[in-house]
Amino acid sequence: DAKTTQPTSMDCAEGRAANLPCNHSTISGNEYVYWYRQIHSQGPQYIIHGLKNNETNEMASLIITEDRKSSTLILPHATLRDTAVYYCIVRWETGFQKLVFGTGTRLLVSP
Amino acid sequence: DVKVTQSSRYLVKRTGEKVFLECVQDMDHENMFWYRQDPGLGLRLIYFSYDVKMKEKGDIPEGYSVSREKKERFSLILESASTNQTSMYLCASSSPSSTGTEAFFGQGTRLTVV
Repeated sequence: DAKTTQPTSMDCAEGRAANLPCNHSTISGNEYVYWYRQIHSQGPQYIIHGLKNNETNEMASLIITEDRKSSTLILPHATLRDTAVYYCIVRWETGFQKLVFGTGTRLLVSP
Repeated sequence: DVKVTQSSRYLVKRTGEKVFLECVQDMDHENMFWYRQDPGLGLRLIYFSYDVKMKEKGDIPEGYSVSREKKERFSLILESASTNQTSMYLCASSSPSSTGTEAFFGQGTRLTVV
């Protein structure tokens, strides 16, 4: 599995966009980028994933660079409830593989 | 609504006790995982299973075993609990699909060994 690198922590003002970066320079051609978040005292929750193209859903947008060596998760209008640890993971789409989490980015959204 | 259920939210056990942590999923997923989470260390994989009666060691299997007799249930066993096994334990399940292989997590069991 490709390793990922994320900043330890970030701050964001409520209502502003939160942009969380992730480096995955050793990603292979068939590996997807997945994002999860973990709100305090809860299990991690899936947010979004993508391969090459940018993706958007009701929770967030995912921007993947053309060389696929990095990506950015965007929360367009952060709220206090978005305060959480955000994990970036790369993995194959087909076949079995274990999920390997790093230490993630702790996002603090302030009023 | 999809669900992964862990049998206990909080658990206190004595050193040397045999401890069972139970996890049940209702999504007919093939894959199930057990993690532990400690401050500053993130989520670390203990064991995983990709089918009934199949199991594989994760990154930190020492001191643990698992059982998967039925597809929906994956149990984590601490044969002789020790204080360094005090932690948050998280169960997850996943299955390949046309829309992705996202994993679903339970709420976690906070185990304290005294």
